[in-house]
Amino acid sequence: GDSVTQMEGPVTLSEEAFLTINCTYTATGYPSLFWYVQYPGEGLQLLLKATKADDKGSNKGFEATYRKETTSFHLEKGSVQVSDSAVYFCALSPHPQGGSEKLVFGKGTKLTVNP
Amino acid sequence: DAGVIQSPRHEVTEMGQEVTLRCKPISGHDYLFWYRQTMMRGLELLIYFNNNVPIDDSGMPEDRFSAKMPNASFSTLKIQPSEPRDSAVYFCASSSHGGNTDTQYFGPGTRLTVL
Repeated sequence: GDSVTQMEGPVTLSEEAFLTINCTYTATGYPSLFWYVQYPGEGLQLLLKATKADDKGSNKGFEATYRKETTSFHLEKGSVQVSDSAVYFCALSPHPQGGSEKLVFGKGTKLTVNP
Repeated sequence: DAGVIQSPRHEVTEMGQEVTLRCKPISGHDYLFWYRQTMMRGLELLIYFNNNVPIDDSGMPEDRFSAKMPNASFSTLKIQPSEPRDSAVYFCASSSHGGNTDTQYFGPGTRLTVL
């Protein structure tokens, strides 16, 4: 079945460091791909998404490119801040247009950024 | 927009008691999802509804769990009888078919502790 694998954390970085969180997926067809972020004590929020191959999603300095050939959607940020400390979830929707149907989530990667 | 509303935010109960979690989705959204989050198992989809009708309940762990959506603005997740292994954070999310169909909006969650 469809699945998402993301790098295990926790990840600890100093402020202004470069961030990469790896995510790979297995899916039949052409899924939509997402990154969600969960700040302490809160629910998940959509960070960015991409709906087709070679699309790049971006938001708040974060970027991820939908790579069909490597079935990957790695999250990157050039310079992290303390306020980026959170848990990051990679997810896919099995349907090309998403269709608001169920998402398949990775296990999450906890990021801590130290000043 | 108030976002997805969940109540209570925290619930502490004793094993064997009935627990009812409540969710009010964003007005106009026609999909509603219930998730459970634990350290061991990550984020799991329990059940989701479309237009108040349950579409997929394959994630519901066992018969002790039940979910209802009597109208478009209210849903409940009930556990009867509760067990310590049900301790988790339960999230409700909603989304809309049409427009930004892929984005699920999460509530703040209910932290359930079963003693």
